[in-house]
Amino acid sequence: DSGVTQTPKHLITATGQRVTLRCSPRSGDLSVYWYQQSLDQGLQFLIQYYNGEERAKGNILERFSAQQFPDLHSELNLSSLELGDSALYFCASSSPGRWIGGLFFGEGSRLTVL
Amino acid sequence: SQQGEEDPQALSIQEGENATMNCSYKTSINNLQWYRQNSGRGLVHLILIRSNEREKHSGRLRVTLDTSKKSSSLLITASRAADTASYFCATPTMNYGGSQGNLIFGKGTKLSVKP
Repeated sequence: DSGVTQTPKHLITATGQRVTLRCSPRSGDLSVYWYQQSLDQGLQFLIQYYNGEERAKGNILERFSAQQFPDLHSELNLSSLELGDSALYFCASSSPGRWIGGLFFGEGSRLTVL
Repeated sequence: SQQGEEDPQALSIQEGENATMNCSYKTSINNLQWYRQNSGRGLVHLILIRSNEREKHSGRLRVTLDTSKKSSSLLITASRAADTASYFCATPTMNYGGSQGNLIFGKGTKLSVKP
């Protein structure tokens, strides 16, 4: 158990819809990262938040947005969903301060767009 | 874009054998990480090797890094059926703001260990 919690585990929805994925980082971790894993693109970094502020943006579509709340949990919002958005979405967190190790990943939210 | 590229894409061995996976990357790095992913599950961080290190050990894992060749290898010794998983190398990218957690992953090596 990494200590990172993601909900929901599975989500099936239709094209054009909007969904929200939720992540609770490990206790004490200030950074939250979102990654997308698909068969086509592999694992791709989407966005990072640090203590409530957006820190870095990767290959995140304009239809997607995220935020980190004062209690440090984060939400990834996916709108106007397309078939190609079907993927595993991972949240990861890391310890503050000097970088000493890797990321702690949640179990992911599997999104299926029909 | 893929920074790390693992080789081979798939590897099938018998329990007790050693498994070696290779990773090549394109740009300068200050560290390289290996992760394991059991089918459909979250990634688990295995080991991080810094650019000034050539070799690192953790239990049955041995990682080497050759910055002149921009390559790394992961060796799992005395493999077990429970080692069956996909293994990914990842390197931090400075493209998105410089955080060490903004990683570029390779496509992974799928390891199958048969009992």
